Amino acid sequence: DSGVTQTPKHLITATGQRVTLRCSPRSGDLSVYWYQQSLDQGLQFLIQYYNGEERAKGNILERFSAQQFPDLHSELNLSSLELGDSALYFCASSVDLAGTLHFGPGTRLTVT
Amino acid sequence: AQTVTQSQPEMSVQEAETVTLSCTYDTSESDYYLFWYKQPPSRQMILVIRQEAYKQQNATENRFSVNFQKAAKSFSLKISDSQLGDAAMYFCAYRSLPSSGTYKYIFGTGTRLKVLA
Repeated sequence: DSGVTQTPKHLITATGQRVTLRCSPRSGDLSVYWYQQSLDQGLQFLIQYYNGEERAKGNILERFSAQQFPDLHSELNLSSLELGDSALYFCASSVDLAGTLHFGPGTRLTVT
Repeated sequence: AQTVTQSQPEMSVQEAETVTLSCTYDTSESDYYLFWYKQPPSRQMILVIRQEAYKQQNATENRFSVNFQKAAKSFSLKISDSQLGDAAMYFCAYRSLPSSGTYKYIFGTGTRLKVLA
């Protein structure tokens, strides 16, 4: 158990809908990362937050947004969902900007 | 920009044997971190081993060790006494230092390891 929690574990929704994925970092970790992993694919970096501020952005679609709250938990919002958004979404945290990533169990999103 | 390459999409090893997974990377930075992560069928990402580029000594964690060749920009993972539980996708990752201004981890495409009984 990495100490990073993600909810929900599974999510099934229809095209055009909007969902919110939630992540709680390990106790003491200030940085949160979001990654997308499609079936049998590598990890695509989406976005990183550090102590509430956005610090790095990857290949995140405009339909996607995220934020980190004062209690350091983070939410990833996915809107106008398409079939191609079906993937495993990982949250990871690190103690600071130089820390090792610790991954949560992921949220499996299925868009039908 | 930094890149990470894992040229072996799939590898097989006999139980109790040793296997080496390859990873090369490209960077102009002199200091950085390198990692190997394991993703078993459960899809959980598990840190296997970490190497700081400024350290010449190769990192080891029980049956897992790395061969870090900085000049060659190579970072291979050796698994000794392979066990059935080692079967997984293995990802190599590169991380810049915060002083570089970038904060992203860069992952390779992964190598799927099969362990044969």
